[in-house]
Amino acid sequence: GQNIDQPTEMTATEGAIVQINCTYQTSGFNGLFWYQQHAGEAPTFLSYNVLDGLEEKGRFSSFLSRSKGYSYLLLKELQMKDSASYLCAVRRDRGSTLGRLYFGRGTQLTVWP
Amino acid sequence: EAQVTQNPRYLITVTGKKLTVTCSQNMNHEYMSWYRQDPGLGLRQIYYSMNVEVTDKGDVPEGYKVSRKEKRNFPLILESPSPNQTSLYFCASLSGNTIYFGEGSWLTVV
Repeated sequence: GQNIDQPTEMTATEGAIVQINCTYQTSGFNGLFWYQQHAGEAPTFLSYNVLDGLEEKGRFSSFLSRSKGYSYLLLKELQMKDSASYLCAVRRDRGSTLGRLYFGRGTQLTVWP
Repeated sequence: EAQVTQNPRYLITVTGKKLTVTCSQNMNHEYMSWYRQDPGLGLRQIYYSMNVEVTDKGDVPEGYKVSRKEKRNFPLILESPSPNQTSLYFCASLSGNTIYFGEGSWLTVV
């Protein structure tokens, strides 16, 4: 597998901003995904970064630095429904592993009123 | 509507009794994959398939088999299930930068 690290748990209050970091070590990097997963449900797509920089999509933004092997997901104006696990996943393209995805263990975010 | 459908959604079975979890996608995707998800371990890839008749092992293939006889279907086979295969299983298909997950199959082996 690949080394993908993200914090296990985070907490924040409603209306606040939270940043979830993800670091990775891989060769043949070909994109980083962020997914949201509520307990017992399938992951849902949030963002995809393949070039350096910030991608903004409503209350959610994702940043990538390929040279540092680093990404973060920024959630603004937190709502109770944002309480979920956030998964960082790296796509690696190299030889026979073309298109493989490697997931981090997820960050469980709890939003308090 | 783009869909990945897996069945059964919930199953309790006994050790050693062969079972198959089906997965079907209606998007004509070439790439399909199976994951298992366990507490504290995240999503781990079991097998994946780049196209019909092309399958490869993921990170945790032991105890599983797959087949890809046609593009839309990618069944996961447990020839002799054991309790350590109790898990939540997800099938997924990928096209470009978008992954579509099935709803998940809760499997308990007693």
